[in-house]
Amino acid sequence: GAGVSQSPSNKVTEKGKDVELRCDPISGHTALYWYRQSLGQGLEFLIYFQGNSAPDKSGLPSDRFSAERTGGSVSTLTIQRTQQEDSAVYLCASSPEVGNQPQHFGDGTRLSIL
Amino acid sequence: GENVEQHPSTLSVQEGDSAVIKCTYSDSASNYFPWYKQELGKGPQLIIDIRSNVGEKKDQRIAVTLNKTAKHFSLHITETQPEDSAVYFCAATDTSGTYKYIFGTGTRLKVLA
Repeated sequence: GAGVSQSPSNKVTEKGKDVELRCDPISGHTALYWYRQSLGQGLEFLIYFQGNSAPDKSGLPSDRFSAERTGGSVSTLTIQRTQQEDSAVYLCASSPEVGNQPQHFGDGTRLSIL
Repeated sequence: GENVEQHPSTLSVQEGDSAVIKCTYSDSASNYFPWYKQELGKGPQLIIDIRSNVGEKKDQRIAVTLNKTAKHFSLHITETQPEDSAVYFCAATDTSGTYKYIFGTGTRLKVLA
């Protein structure tokens, strides 16, 4: 597609359930980043991929969070045993390669934990 | 690690006036500074960026200036229009090798018609 695509756009789930968020980057972009934006806050880095590898997972808040990327394209962010504090907008960005390059963002998945 | 501060948190201007948003960063090795505009329910959209080898960059009504010595950079919007109303974020790239962005806390700009 022309831009970064994320799905679902909205997700409401009960506390304790697992959720899976999907990101489809711009075709040909090798670098992919996940950020989290809490209500009225800035963006917080979670994890990034260079190809299918995740060299930096330092931003993941806990071991309930994991992410993978396959085929150098689609990435999924999984949150297990969700908690209310996980409620946020999860944003994905991609860039042609890792480096000082523009990152292009999707519209995010708005996650609400009841 | 890098830290980015952004001011003001909110800014109201009359249509046609100029708006200026300022950011400071802590890591003198940072060398790429993008600015994003985020509208309600949308993801951040890149509007302009600047690299550390230049001091100013302009694109129509939008300009960014960079002062490496003082470690601050600013977004300037001239002849503001109602459609400029949004939240603006500055960012600096982390220099540890990931090139993740460290974002400022955002400025909510309101352009009053």
